[in-house]
Amino acid sequence: AQTVTQSQPEMSVQEAETVTLSCTYDTSESDYYLFWYKQPPSRQMILVIRQEAYKQQNATENRFSVNFQKAAKSFSLKISDSQLGDAAMYFCAYRRTTSGTYKYIFGTGTRLKVLA
Amino acid sequence: SAVISQKPSRDICQRGTSLTIQCQVDSQVTMMFWYRQQPGQSLTLIATANQGSEATYESGFVIDKFPISRPNLTFSTLTVSNMSPEDSSIYLCSVEGGTNFDEQFFGPGTRLTVL
Repeated sequence: AQTVTQSQPEMSVQEAETVTLSCTYDTSESDYYLFWYKQPPSRQMILVIRQEAYKQQNATENRFSVNFQKAAKSFSLKISDSQLGDAAMYFCAYRRTTSGTYKYIFGTGTRLKVLA
Repeated sequence: SAVISQKPSRDICQRGTSLTIQCQVDSQVTMMFWYRQQPGQSLTLIATANQGSEATYESGFVIDKFPISRPNLTFSTLTVSNMSPEDSSIYLCSVEGGTNFDEQFFGPGTRLTVL
């Protein structure tokens, strides 16, 4: 079965600095998607960035980028120039296909604190 | 993207009662998903709801406890039946969307407290 592991329950970063959140996963499939979602205190889950496994190029979205290491099954999120609004829970997620139904598996989350 | 609303946003219920949560999407979608997020925990998929068919439940979740309706392509309900304090959670609905239908969009969640 597929699993997603986030080994950092909590991280802190100084405003304007860079922080990296870790995520590892386990799968026997060759094609899949990986995501980072942000959940601020308001609870609304927001997609931060996505990566398609067949693409070797790391995805980037403004200040957010990933380091996707397919062989190592690692998918870390780098946040540059951290802002106070980045404070939230961050969930790594894996999307698989089972019998034609797409299922998402979420990690346990990393709480990011941004220090002014 | 899809805009999703949920009602109620929060509720406090007594043990043994039931609560129905509504999820409305601003566009037609094939599949809707219901998740539970217990305090400080990750999201756990309860079931997948396709319009016109029975919902598919994940291991550990049963229809008698979490009956789901999916009357059309923009609406779904999840009922939490015979509630106990262990059911206190945030319940989220989501849909797939995006250019290739490979992104999930989430509702704001329903915070349920069972006394």
